[in-house]
Amino acid sequence: GAVVSQHPSWVICKSGTSVKIECRSLDFQATTMFWYRQFPKQSLMLMATSNEGSKATYEQGVEKDKFLINHASLTLSTLTVTSAHPEDSSFYICSARRVIVGVNTEAFFGQGTRLTVV
Amino acid sequence: GDSVTQMEGPVTLSEEAFLTINCTYTATGYPSLFWYVQYPGEGLQLLLKATKADDKGSNKGFEATYRKETTSFHLEKGSVQVSDSAVYFCALKDSGGYQKVTFGTGTKLQVIP
Repeated sequence: GAVVSQHPSWVICKSGTSVKIECRSLDFQATTMFWYRQFPKQSLMLMATSNEGSKATYEQGVEKDKFLINHASLTLSTLTVTSAHPEDSSFYICSARRVIVGVNTEAFFGQGTRLTVV
Repeated sequence: GDSVTQMEGPVTLSEEAFLTINCTYTATGYPSLFWYVQYPGEGLQLLLKATKADDKGSNKGFEATYRKETTSFHLEKGSVQVSDSAVYFCALKDSGGYQKVTFGTGTKLQVIP
């Protein structure tokens, strides 16, 4: 299957700093990327949907000014956690899909990023 | 909106036991259904999928059948191994424009020798 690479796989940062997570589709062009957050012992919660070249669509309750999403090219989307706090510590995972209207395309997931804010 | 309900875990089984993890869904239209697996410390991997009613997805000895009449997609395996220990997520993908994926809460499976 297609490969989605997420970097870094883990990061520790100090409270108040910002952290950028990259999501790359290595062998296909991803018109749409999804960012999820997974709390311990809970399911994946969709944070936002990003389309190449346009603003991301955030799910209800997700602070767009805190979680900045950029999808500047068909192979790269970034999630920046700004002014991180300990409660932002979580497992963040991206998913990429080449969306074709009327075609049931598969989503491929990155390996995830474990963020710990101290 | 769409939702996925799966049985709570953890599920603890002895090696070679039969596994069933229940999953039911609520959705409009004609969703596709998936099972994903997450091994400790790793991301999600697609285990199997079914795109229409009565389809059976299968992979690595696991299988699940898309039952539209009962809105279910239960995961089964006849004989589990220690290496199957992981968290299993049931998910659906809607048939709308962005084909948004909704996940269940996950079921942790622990297989003991």
